[in-house]
Amino acid sequence: GENVEQHPSTLSVQEGDSAVIKCTYSDSASNYFPWYKQELGKGPQLIIDIRSNVGEKKDQRIAVTLNKTAKHFSLHITETQPEDSAVYFCAASLDYGQNFVFGPGTRLSVLP
Amino acid sequence: SAVISQKPSRDICQRGTSLTIQCQVDSQVTMMFWYRQQPGQSLTLIATANQGSEATYESGFVIDKFPISRPNLTFSTLTVSNMSPEDSSIYLCSVLARLAGDTQYFGPGTRLTVL
Repeated sequence: GENVEQHPSTLSVQEGDSAVIKCTYSDSASNYFPWYKQELGKGPQLIIDIRSNVGEKKDQRIAVTLNKTAKHFSLHITETQPEDSAVYFCAASLDYGQNFVFGPGTRLSVLP
Repeated sequence: SAVISQKPSRDICQRGTSLTIQCQVDSQVTMMFWYRQQPGQSLTLIATANQGSEATYESGFVIDKFPISRPNLTFSTLTVSNMSPEDSSIYLCSVLARLAGDTQYFGPGTRLTVL
């Protein structure tokens, strides 16, 4: 089955700097890759996603890149702000939500 | 996106008792799921809640311990039975919004503490 690894497990950056979180997956059939942000005491919130037919997607300060050949994808956050501090989870799945597997998570701290 | 509510938001329970968690969605969805998130950990799928039939459980989870109901397309319950301190976790309901491109949306979670 699918296995998703995520690095780093913790990340501290200064406010205004960029943050990059990387995930690798094992099942080449996976074709949907979402990223979730989970703040303390809340459920995970979808922040961006990408499908296998796209190499990069951007939404304001957040971008995701996908390398299907190498089976890895990354989350990029630019101009980080203290409110970006949270735990971020990547995931990989097949069509229609099948085999939806989460990475272990990255705790991001943005220092003022 | 779908709006999901869960009840209760948190509870403290005694060992050996059971707790039923409710999940309500504001629109009809194709699939509903229940996850467990232990402190500081990632999300682990417990089961897929099937409308009108028995839930589909993942390895390591059984119906006697986590009975699930889904009487219609917008509502599901998860019961944590005969609880022990090891059941202390956050329990999350999620839905698959097919019209939104197979994206899973999560509820706010239920924080359970078992004494």
